[in-house]
Amino acid sequence: QKEVEQDPGPLSVPEGAIVSLNCTYSNSAFQYFMWYRQYSRKGPELLMYTYSSGNKEDGRFTAQVDKSSKYISLFIRDSQPSDSATYLCAMSAGGSGTSYGKLTFGQGTILTVHP
Amino acid sequence: NAGVTQTPKFQVLKTGQSMTLQCAQDMNHNSMYWYRQDPGMGLRLIYYSASEGTTDKGEVPNGYNVSRLNKREFSLRLESAAPSQTSVYFCASRKSGLADFYEQYFGPGTRLTVT
Repeated sequence: QKEVEQDPGPLSVPEGAIVSLNCTYSNSAFQYFMWYRQYSRKGPELLMYTYSSGNKEDGRFTAQVDKSSKYISLFIRDSQPSDSATYLCAMSAGGSGTSYGKLTFGQGTILTVHP
Repeated sequence: NAGVTQTPKFQVLKTGQSMTLQCAQDMNHNSMYWYRQDPGMGLRLIYYSASEGTTDKGEVPNGYNVSRLNKREFSLRLESAAPSQTSVYFCASRKSGLADFYEQYFGPGTRLTVT
């Protein structure tokens, strides 16, 4: 079983829809939770970061973490065609020494927002 | 400021051939990473280098070697390529220190096909 599970989709929604992307994880040591966005034929870029449980909002994007359920979500409001990309969740326990900063990624969800 | 650069962008190898993927960053980052990305598998860590002079195995190191040539450059070598190594390879780097450890900066990727 993978440490981080993410439904690869693909997910197709109309412009303006609310999108929900989710990941589950099994490692209770994970404390730091990230969402990366990857456009086609590009490298991933950090979209949002959350520490421990709770919500974080940034414009149309909201990240939620529920550590008790080992479940994280990314919500996109008023989705736009420019949001079409692969969304990867990533997690870290923090670590120490040379392992500090190592990230474990989910499989990525392919999202298409059509006009 | 070019960020993270990778060469080559595309490569086709025959089984048993060797090659080196090059990665360089101009952001004065200490830590560098090599990932492979396969459909349905997300990003998997091959090797990483927490600082100049150190390298450590990641999740899928078999069949690969790395060299941290200096602070800027981190290369990945396939000694005897196999079809299972067909993938997209990403190099990433990370700022030093405790803050912002979760943000990795990715290169554009190298698309490798082994026939």
